[in-house]
Amino acid sequence: DVKVTQSSRYLVKRTGEKVFLECVQDMDHENMFWYRQDPGLGLRLIYFSYDVKMKEKGDIPEGYSVSREKKERFSLILESASTNQTSMYLCASSLVRTGSHEQYFGPGTRLTVT
Amino acid sequence: QKEVEQDPGPLSVPEGAIVSLNCTYSNSAFQYFMWYRQYSRKGPELLMYTYSSGNKEDGRFTAQVDKSSKYISLFIRDSQPSDSATYLCAMSEGTGRRALTFGSGTRLQVQP
Repeated sequence: DVKVTQSSRYLVKRTGEKVFLECVQDMDHENMFWYRQDPGLGLRLIYFSYDVKMKEKGDIPEGYSVSREKKERFSLILESASTNQTSMYLCASSLVRTGSHEQYFGPGTRLTVT
Repeated sequence: QKEVEQDPGPLSVPEGAIVSLNCTYSNSAFQYFMWYRQYSRKGPELLMYTYSSGNKEDGRFTAQVDKSSKYISLFIRDSQPSDSATYLCAMSEGTGRRALTFGSGTRLQVQP
């Protein structure tokens, strides 16, 4: 079974703090993604990476950065957390392969910024 | 206007009912269409996928794609309380190094 794990299920941080969200997958997937999920807005793509040290901006990259130093690990960084970044953050991974379209998701991290 | 529109619900049905969930989209380049199911406090899981137009059936679930109308549907027959979840449609122009575009999700509650 593919497993995508996220470092925390729940996180509470203060405004201005630097926040790291970690994601690890164990199936040697090339693609990794970070989404945030908000009521009424669905999943919105923040960043994705299709290879080590490669990254591409998604729909809402402002206020976020990412790091992928190893194939299995993809980190999301909030440089200076703000209250409007309170959300559920979901990590996903998938294969780079023609006909492959399934993304495997982690359980999510609910981040609250106060 | 969002690229993918989905009624957020909630949709409440009695056990055994036929459920119809729908999404509309504006990007005519979408070719791959998926339905993900998300239980409370869990990440989404792929339920069904369809390439281009047509129908696909898997047990109690049927996915339909009408590219001419830019409209996709998921039908659930003989709905069960265990089907209670949020259903998200997702679409992609291709595979490989591609991200998905998700709808906002429809929350379904099947009453026993």
